[in-house]
Amino acid sequence: EAQVTQNPRYLITVTGKKLTVTCSQNMNHEYMSWYRQDPGLGLRQIYYSMNVEVTDKGDVPEGYKVSRKEKRNFPLILESPSPNQTSLYFCASSFDERNTGELFFGEGSRLTVL
Amino acid sequence: TQLLEQSPQFLSIQEGENLTVYCNSSSVFSSLQWYRQEPGEGPVLLVTVVTGGEVKKLKRLTFQFGDARKDSSLHITAAQPGDTGLYLCAGAKRLWNAGNMLTFGGGTRLMVKP
Repeated sequence: EAQVTQNPRYLITVTGKKLTVTCSQNMNHEYMSWYRQDPGLGLRQIYYSMNVEVTDKGDVPEGYKVSRKEKRNFPLILESPSPNQTSLYFCASSFDERNTGELFFGEGSRLTVL
Repeated sequence: TQLLEQSPQFLSIQEGENLTVYCNSSSVFSSLQWYRQEPGEGPVLLVTVVTGGEVKKLKRLTFQFGDARKDSSLHITAAQPGDTGLYLCAGAKRLWNAGNMLTFGGGTRLMVKP
């Protein structure tokens, strides 16, 4: 089954404790991206990657890091999480490296930073 | 201030009623997508409109892209409880690296009561 898989789905952590949210897609997609979703603000892009070893900042990259060592994986790293990073996070992928087509989303990872 | 304004933010109607959701911007987009998101899941693409003035129909859903490609509307005829969800519009803009960035609206949360 074609899908984007995120882990963990739910996480409660404390300020400053490094964490990684993994994302994996099995559709051989070139383009991958991370979004955060907050009430009333819609989805805001954190980082995106047009291909392996190519990553770029989105609208709200501060406090986050990403890497794209393999085509299928695009982990999101919070080196020192803060309460304002409490949010619902979505990983997404698209076949076209330029993201001209449909975005396929994972099921989301709800993160709470105390 | 969001680049894409969706209205209304919330809508609660009875089964069988018609409704329209609006997505407005002062910016021009190369294309515009509509997604629907259900609780606990990621957004799923409904339609992409590309040409100014374009109208697309998906069963009881009618999507229209404004002539100037700055706005869009989603009209649902005879709403069903299964239409309940969060509706998101997303405008595409070309980036410096020839990629496309999607900017999402804040969403319209629709509840259709039986």
